[in-house]
Amino acid sequence: AQRVTQPEKLLSVFKGAPVELKCNYSYSGSPELFWYVQYSRQRLQLLLRHISRESIKGFTADLNKGETSFHLKKPFAQEEDSAMYYCALLDTGRRALTFGSGTRLQVQP
Amino acid sequence: DADVTQTPRNRITKTGKRIMLECSQTKGHDRMYWYRQDPGLGLQLIYYSFDVKDINKGEISDGYSVSRQAQAKFSLSLESAIPNQTALYFCATSEAGADTQYFGPGTRLTVL
Repeated sequence: AQRVTQPEKLLSVFKGAPVELKCNYSYSGSPELFWYVQYSRQRLQLLLRHISRESIKGFTADLNKGETSFHLKKPFAQEEDSAMYYCALLDTGRRALTFGSGTRLQVQP
Repeated sequence: DADVTQTPRNRITKTGKRIMLECSQTKGHDRMYWYRQDPGLGLQLIYYSFDVKDINKGEISDGYSVSRQAQAKFSLSLESAIPNQTALYFCATSEAGADTQYFGPGTRLTVL
């Protein structure tokens, strides 16, 4: 069965500090991975997906198949980055997502 | 704006009651999903539908049923609510051939 693990429930950093939100997955096939974000009082929305290889709002994530990881990184955190972040793995049969339990990022001034 | 809406946004009900949560979308997407979120956990798939005539169970479908009344509407029913169904429920949509999902605002359900 596929699984997504986000080991940190809370990550607190100061403004300007680097951020790394960890995500590990378990999947027998070729994974398709996503990061979703939920800002306060907003709905869950896509931040980025690995096949796009984009940088969104300064965030990047690299798929490491050897370590089965898809960590989300940003070199300099901003206060507006404070939110709940979810890593998700696509079930290619159902085209549905398996989510990790989420990490709350707090960026302090 | 094309959107995904859920009604009600909050609901308190009693054990044994039948309750329906509704999801509507104006995005024109074929695929619709219902997820459940419990505190401290990720979202878990309850049911999904690829079109009006296609309904499929997810990992936690026991105690739930769904109806896809039209392309734009996908309802989730709890036939006889129980307290451990207290959770946040999310509807999502996606286009056929694309895997980005668009989420509704969620329905907070409390079963007493």
